[in-house]
Amino acid sequence: DIQMTQSPSTLSASVGDRVTITCRASQSIRTWLAWYQQKPGKAPKLLIYKASTLESGVPARFSGSGSGTDFTLTVSSLQPDDFATYYCQQYNTYSATFGQGTKVEIK
Amino acid sequence: EVQLVESGGGLVRPGGSLRLSCAASGFTFDNYGMSWVRQAPGKGLEWVSTINWNGRSTGYADSVKGRFTISRENAKNSLYLQLNSLRVEDTALYYCAREVRGSSGYYYDSWGQGALVTVSS
Repeated sequence: DIQMTQSPSTLSASVGDRVTITCRASQSIRTWLAWYQQKPGKAPKLLIYKASTLESGVPARFSGSGSGTDFTLTVSSLQPDDFATYYCQQYNTYSATFGQGTKVEIK
Repeated sequence: EVQLVESGGGLVRPGGSLRLSCAASGFTFDNYGMSWVRQAPGKGLEWVSTINWNGRSTGYADSVKGRFTISRENAKNSLYLQLNSLRVEDTALYYCAREVRGSSGYYYDSWGQGALVTVSS
């Protein structure tokens, strides 16, 4: 199985900050990577697919980049609604695997 | 609006069985493959199983292979997961999710609210 490693595990930030989360795959997944946001007690919500394509309705302050094994999710200006846990997911193979999550907390 | 509603969760003893259901609406169900993804309490997401649009192709995570069975009934817009030989480590919130294909795998653009399965003696 392809292993996905996110960093950091926890991130403390303030409203208005630029925030970057990193996801690394154990082997090349080209650009077959998605990002999700999950709030407590809620289902995950798709933010980005194919590494950099924004899902319809997702604010433009979210962006994704990367290819091969290294990827990033950036929030250009953190808003109160963005405090949540973020997961990356590879779909290069049929057995999808997720990163362990990055919790974005209020500083 | 796409809606996925899971049901059938509950408390079961180790070795027991349970059947989860997912009722889909707001889209043409038999145009999509579907998956089950679970999340243990306080933990991350784990893909469990996938089924293609007509039910003829399925796949399972190694952790559940031989114990869980995924199926679907397109006439009823429903997805199922039969959980047998349950273990304590199967305790989790089980989500059904709609697949969007990319390469050999899928990402998930719609999720249900989850069904809680608790395995405990």
